[in-house]
Amino acid sequence: DAGVTQSPTHLIKTRGQQVTLRCSPKSGHDTVSWYQQALGQGPQFIFQYYEEEERQRGNFPDRFSGHQFPNYSSELNVNALLLGDSALYLCASSLAQGGNQPQHFGDGTRLSIL
Amino acid sequence: DAKTTQPNSMESNEEEPVHLPCNHSTISGTDYIHWYRQLPSQGPEYVIHGLTSNVNNRMASLAIAEDRKSSTLILHRATLRDAAVYYCILRWDDKIIFGKGTRLHILP
Repeated sequence: DAGVTQSPTHLIKTRGQQVTLRCSPKSGHDTVSWYQQALGQGPQFIFQYYEEEERQRGNFPDRFSGHQFPNYSSELNVNALLLGDSALYLCASSLAQGGNQPQHFGDGTRLSIL
Repeated sequence: DAKTTQPNSMESNEEEPVHLPCNHSTISGTDYIHWYRQLPSQGPEYVIHGLTSNVNNRMASLAIAEDRKSSTLILHRATLRDAAVYYCILRWDDKIIFGKGTRLHILP
């Protein structure tokens, strides 16, 4: 049973470019959340998708957008990249049942902005 | 979101038990107490969670104070592989708000 898979594992972009990161949830999970983790910090919640809609959003600008597909996989898009967007981007999947359900994380995509 | 307070770092000897404390004095009745850990170069890994009663699983035990204002994650016999950042988190819905966690060092 595959866990959460993310692609690519590493990515290098330049300022102003756009990037798309991909996530396949653990089998049976219907909810996908995205997090940004800067070096030396804890992960920060970006947003969550359920039933192909954004259900919750953290304190991130509109440059960060996402999508969930009918098979529950998800994409994170970031436009007009800034140097400060350099971070590890983590995807987590779960069942949509509130605080009683663990989230399962992938190992992330390391995004470097030059 | 209710906040948690954890020590920045702790040390423990290999093969000894480890008790990782967490204070959450503003916890509400619907908050679950979750613990995750993050090993170097990996995503966070779920460890254990509970609401009111103590919980055990194959990885660890969670001891919850009677007033629920604090909890302790117990690793019964630490190994070098347990060296990680441990996050204590309160959750009432699907998102996770991470703090800075406790960096656990295991001494051989």
